[in-house]
Amino acid sequence: DAKTTQPPSMDCAEGRAANLPCNHSTISGNEYVYWYRQIHSQGPQYIIHGLKNNETNEMASLIITEDRKSSTLILPHATLRDTAVYYCIVRVGLTGGGNKLTFGTGTQLKVEL
Amino acid sequence: DGGITQSPKYLFRKEGQNVTLSCEQNLNHDAMYWYRQDPGQGLRLIYYSQIVNDFQKGDIAEGYSVSREKKESFPLTVTSAQKNPTAFYLCASSIVSAGDQPQHFGDGTRLSIL
Repeated sequence: DAKTTQPPSMDCAEGRAANLPCNHSTISGNEYVYWYRQIHSQGPQYIIHGLKNNETNEMASLIITEDRKSSTLILPHATLRDTAVYYCIVRVGLTGGGNKLTFGTGTQLKVEL
Repeated sequence: DGGITQSPKYLFRKEGQNVTLSCEQNLNHDAMYWYRQDPGQGLRLIYYSQIVNDFQKGDIAEGYSVSREKKESFPLTVTSAQKNPTAFYLCASSIVSAGDQPQHFGDGTRLSIL
């Protein structure tokens, strides 16, 4: 499985953009990058995923470098409710369909006033 | 609303006892998954199922068993053979298709040993 590396923690001021980096230098050409977040004692929440192009949805933007060895999740206007652990995952496809998500320890984002 | 329901939210197990965690989804997803999360750690895959009456072992299946008799249900049994069962258990589901589809998670069951 492709391994991901994330900083253990980051701080962000409320209203500012939060930029969360992730390295995945061993990613294969057909592997997607997924981002989830987890608020304490809840299940992970899907945020966004991408293959090679930058992606944007109502929650965030995902910037993937041209060589696909790293990516950045951007929360454009962070709020206190965005305080959570953010996981960057390279998914592995399973035979027959579906996919396996290998979660690391993620980045604890703390949004402060 | 569509989603994944896990029950109970908290569960206590006595030594030598089997316990079953429930997971139900009304998203009409074909694939379902069970993960285990230990404090301060990421999630590890226990079992998954891509179709009714079929399931596969994940990375840490020892001491666990599952069944998939209905599309919407994927219960997990933690057996007495699992020597360290205290953890947060998460169930997920996804569409099975040629393209990539995200997994959606329930809110988990926290299992503790008495």
